[in-house]
Amino acid sequence: QVQLQESGPGLVKPSETLSLTCTVSGDSIDNNYWNWIRQPPGKGLEWIGYISYTRSTKFNPSLKSRVTISVDTSKNHFSLKLSSVTAADTAVYYCARGISKVDKSYFYMDVWGKGTTVTVSS
Amino acid sequence: QSVLTQPPSVSGTSGQRVTISCSGSSSNIGSKTVNWYQQLPGTAPKLLIYNDNKRPSGVPDRFSGSKSGTSASLAISGLQSEDESDYYCAAWDDSLKGQVFGGGTKLTVL
Repeated sequence: QVQLQESGPGLVKPSETLSLTCTVSGDSIDNNYWNWIRQPPGKGLEWIGYISYTRSTKFNPSLKSRVTISVDTSKNHFSLKLSSVTAADTAVYYCARGISKVDKSYFYMDVWGKGTTVTVSS
Repeated sequence: QSVLTQPPSVSGTSGQRVTISCSGSSSNIGSKTVNWYQQLPGTAPKLLIYNDNKRPSGVPDRFSGSKSGTSASLAISGLQSEDESDYYCAAWDDSLKGQVFGGGTKLTVL
């Protein structure tokens, strides 16, 4: 079955860049849409963005200026970089597989990783 | 402030039927399909309903989704203690060009 696993540093200093990787097993990065979502402590879910099978990307407008999502086909994983982090970026970060029609008439995330906690603190 | 609006909390007793509402606009629910996610305490979200009313394999038929205009609902019948969880609605938003979530609803089983 399809599984996703997040990895990366659990602690990042303010103003630095947060970097996470999501390793995919059971599916190819050349299929579907690969998403990052985060959840601050005690709060709701926030979609960060995705990279698609065509390598197109879409980002949450509120984060767009600071986000990069890329893939490494050889390792079948995709990565998130979030620059100039502050305490407000402290959250559990999830990766998820997205299933979508090109016109986005439907878009849903059917497989999620377990999440990784990232704390921004000096 | 979330783009999709959900009640912060709902409650019900075992065996009861409860519904959770999700209100949006023409740029999201009004023109795109709605999905629901269940997040049990301390775990990752799980897809519960997709494309307005479809259940992934393994999701009990006690869970059902519906949509009318710019609003959607999740209904849970035969409420069980293990249904106590946070529930999130989500949809693509054409104006924001991204996935938007509701603020989440905490279901308490009394």
